[in-house]
Amino acid sequence: DIVMTQSPDSLAVSLGERATINCKSSQSVLYSTDNKSYLAWYQQKPGQPPKLLIYWASTRESGVPDRFRGSGSGTDFTLTISSLQAEDVAVYYCQQYYNSPVTFGPGTKVEIK
Amino acid sequence: EVQLVQSGGGFVQPGGSLRLSCAASGFTVSDNYMSWVRQAPGKGLEWVSVIYSGGSIYYADSVKGRFTISRDNSKNTVYLQMNNLRAEDTAVYYCAKGGHCSSISCLNDYWGQGTLVTVSS
Repeated sequence: DIVMTQSPDSLAVSLGERATINCKSSQSVLYSTDNKSYLAWYQQKPGQPPKLLIYWASTRESGVPDRFRGSGSGTDFTLTISSLQAEDVAVYYCQQYYNSPVTFGPGTKVEIK
Repeated sequence: EVQLVQSGGGFVQPGGSLRLSCAASGFTVSDNYMSWVRQAPGKGLEWVSVIYSGGSIYYADSVKGRFTISRDNSKNTVYLQMNNLRAEDTAVYYCAKGGHCSSISCLNDYWGQGTLVTVSS
């Protein structure tokens, strides 16, 4: 199975400041045939199911604010929240869907400083 | 509008059984990759099982031989039958619809509300 790791485990950011979350896969999730990395990002708020934010590493799901940006390719990925809002307090997970089984990172908790 | 409404779950003793249901609307279950993902209290997300549109089925090693995923096309519903439950199966269970896919797997673009399964004596 592909192992996903995330860093940091948690971070506290001031309102309006940037939050950066890293995700690494144990093997490449880049398909050479289409040059797409099969990496998704989810946001989970307390008591709610996860919500899809980003797919193919950098494509925002419909309705997701443009302050959320995904980047990276191959094995190293980043989710950036450019200007943290109060409603962004949540745990963020990366997931690879390149191979079976799909696997998730352990999550990064984002809080307000 | 796509919706996944879950039912079932609850409290069960070790060795017991439960069946979770996931009723879909706004799309056809049999045309989609449908999976179950669980989350132990205070922990991260763990994939449990998947049923592909073509009918192929796979399980996590931790539940293989104890859990069974199925679907009822007439009810547009996916099920997870859980037998011989253990304390470590205690979790919120989510059903989820597959979205963008690789040649093998799909991400999850819509999720049910989750249902808590507690296994304890």
